Amino acid sequence: KAGVTQTPRYLIKTRGQQVTLSCSPISGHRSVSWYQQTPGQGLQFLFEYFSETQRNKGNFPGRFSGRQFSNSRSEMNVSTLELGDSALYLCASSPILSGGAANEQFFGPGTRLTVL
Amino acid sequence: AQSVAQPEDQVNVAEGNPLTVKCTYSVSGNPYLFWYVQYPNRGLQFLLKYITGDNLVKGSYGFEAEFNKSQTSFHLKKPSALVSDSALYFCAVRPVTGGGNKLTFGTGTQLKVEL
Repeated sequence: KAGVTQTPRYLIKTRGQQVTLSCSPISGHRSVSWYQQTPGQGLQFLFEYFSETQRNKGNFPGRFSGRQFSNSRSEMNVSTLELGDSALYLCASSPILSGGAANEQFFGPGTRLTVL
Repeated sequence: AQSVAQPEDQVNVAEGNPLTVKCTYSVSGNPYLFWYVQYPNRGLQFLLKYITGDNLVKGSYGFEAEFNKSQTSFHLKKPSALVSDSALYFCAVRPVTGGGNKLTFGTGTQLKVEL
């Protein structure tokens, strides 16, 4: 099985622009989560989607949004970019939405976003 | 709310020696606990998880972790370290009920294995 894929791998944007990142989960996985990784804040949860619905949301401003399509692929969007948005954005997929199951998440290689 | 502490930013160990990477957690109710490893410019790779049952969990690449409920710890161990184990290690927690698949991560521990 192919792993989680994320596109693009690298992005350079300027302040005020917006950006869209894409994630394709492992085939058959219906849950997609997004995390932001920075040297200062570490790994922080952004949101989780399951069956095209946002199920969980982290503590990020409304500039960060996402969606999931019927084929489970997901996109996240950041509007009005700030310098502090520079980070590695990781996508993770899982077969189901927990429900008490201890299923691990499988991570993609990430998208490195640099905001100038 | 849950939290994870990894008290050591970096652990240095000689190749062939045992290694331990420490993790303590806080969560309401019972936890699911995970260890992930990250190599440079890569995503996170799953190593092992604790669900319930045996306190010693065995995972990938010879790693194991010991769950201690009274000390709320989940330390990662390996009997004999390899230079190729050098990477960034993350401990993560999720409550058994509620919160979906959301993981709360520790700050990470850089493991350096030297010849």
